[in-house]
Amino acid sequence: RKEVEQDPGPFNVPEGATVAFNCTYSNSASQSFFWYRQDCRKEPKLLMSVYSSGNEDGRFTAQLNRASQYISLLIRDSKLSDSATYLCVVNTAGSQGNLIFGKGTKLSVKP
Amino acid sequence: EPEVTQTPSHQVTQMGQEVILRCVPISNHLYFYWYRQILGQKVEFLVSFYNNEISEKSEIFDDQFSVERPDGSNFTLKIRSTKLEDSAMYFCASRGDSYGYTFGSGTRLTVV
Repeated sequence: RKEVEQDPGPFNVPEGATVAFNCTYSNSASQSFFWYRQDCRKEPKLLMSVYSSGNEDGRFTAQLNRASQYISLLIRDSKLSDSATYLCVVNTAGSQGNLIFGKGTKLSVKP
Repeated sequence: EPEVTQTPSHQVTQMGQEVILRCVPISNHLYFYWYRQILGQKVEFLVSFYNNEISEKSEIFDDQFSVERPDGSNFTLKIRSTKLEDSAMYFCASRGDSYGYTFGSGTRLTVV
């Protein structure tokens, strides 16, 4: 059973579109949740943490449903620069903060 | 902004050779990690290091791997006898007391 599962995409959207990514995780004891962004052959970079109450950072909104073990990311008004792979990441309970990564969802924003 | 520095950016080595990947974490960070990413695959945890010892390691981190923090600033990953399947991007990461990780830009290891 995969620990963190994501739709691999690719999602091909026009500039200005709204796009949503989903993620599920298998370990119900997971404590912390994140969305990272990874450009081709680069390191993962933190986009935002995900809180139970939901949180927003500009055009980005993250939601967490602990009961369903489901995390989402919504991007509004997509920009060309949003093109990247979006990684759903979970911090496993009881560890020294080790991160479990999903395989990522690829987004391509076209002009 | 503080950053994690990794060298070299690309290393090509022959199968069976030893390689050492180097990392300089952020100076006031306490936890150090190595992750790897095989091309086209997900980022995978290898090992975490805290208080000068390994705190956790994955199944991937077998006897061929070792880590060291020899001088209080560098954090190294050694692969004793490289195999073709060790070819991957290796990322070092560090964090302080919070969950804020900082990743280095990675070392691309190619085993031929």
